[in-house]
Amino acid sequence: EVQLVQSGAEVKKPGESLKISCKGSGYSFSSFLIGWVRQMPGKGLEWMGIIYPADSDTRYSPSFQGQVTVSADTSISTAYLQWSSLRASDTAMYYCARRSPLTDAFDIWGQGTVVTVSS
Amino acid sequence: QSALTQPASVSGSPGQSITISCSGTSSDVGGFNYVSWYQQYPGKAPKLMIYDVNKRPSGVSSRFSGSKSGNTASLTISGLQAEDEADYYCGSYTGSSTWVFGGGTKMTVL
Repeated sequence: EVQLVQSGAEVKKPGESLKISCKGSGYSFSSFLIGWVRQMPGKGLEWMGIIYPADSDTRYSPSFQGQVTVSADTSISTAYLQWSSLRASDTAMYYCARRSPLTDAFDIWGQGTVVTVSS
Repeated sequence: QSALTQPASVSGSPGQSITISCSGTSSDVGGFNYVSWYQQYPGKAPKLMIYDVNKRPSGVSSRFSGSKSGNTASLTISGLQAEDEADYYCGSYTGSSTWVFGGGTKMTVL
């Protein structure tokens, strides 16, 4: 079964760092783009950025450029989203999603990771 | 890179058809035939329902269909069922391995 499994919920304080993960299985992880999507409480989906695990080429939405870092470790089929200094406004659900092998859409989604930033 | 524009809500009665619009620009919806639609139930991850404007992944009901005209794409759900009540998001490729989503539409079955 093709799936993406994300790390568990996180509760952090403003200014702390964080790295959440997304592990792929059931397919050739290195060969497919993995994107990250933010969903703030009660709000819509926001595309954040994407990585091609095979060469670590990354692209970011202008809204998130410089705010987060996307990376991947092909040896353990895992992609990451990290923050160096969290803000309360980073409180949200974060999803990873695989770009479809057929087209420019996201066909497999992780279950989501809730990040809560509060003092 | 602004979010695509969707109506906040739509509703319909069981058996009816509804259409959700998704408006963009020539840099996203109008520039590529890579519009996709996602269904999301509360507390769940999104699910791909339509890709390449009008193609359905295996397992998605034929009651779901997509189209595009100029800078506006549409999702039509025919023969509405209670299980179709969910949030729906459009998405578009915007070139150079970047994407954008719509603001989402809450679909209510009356």
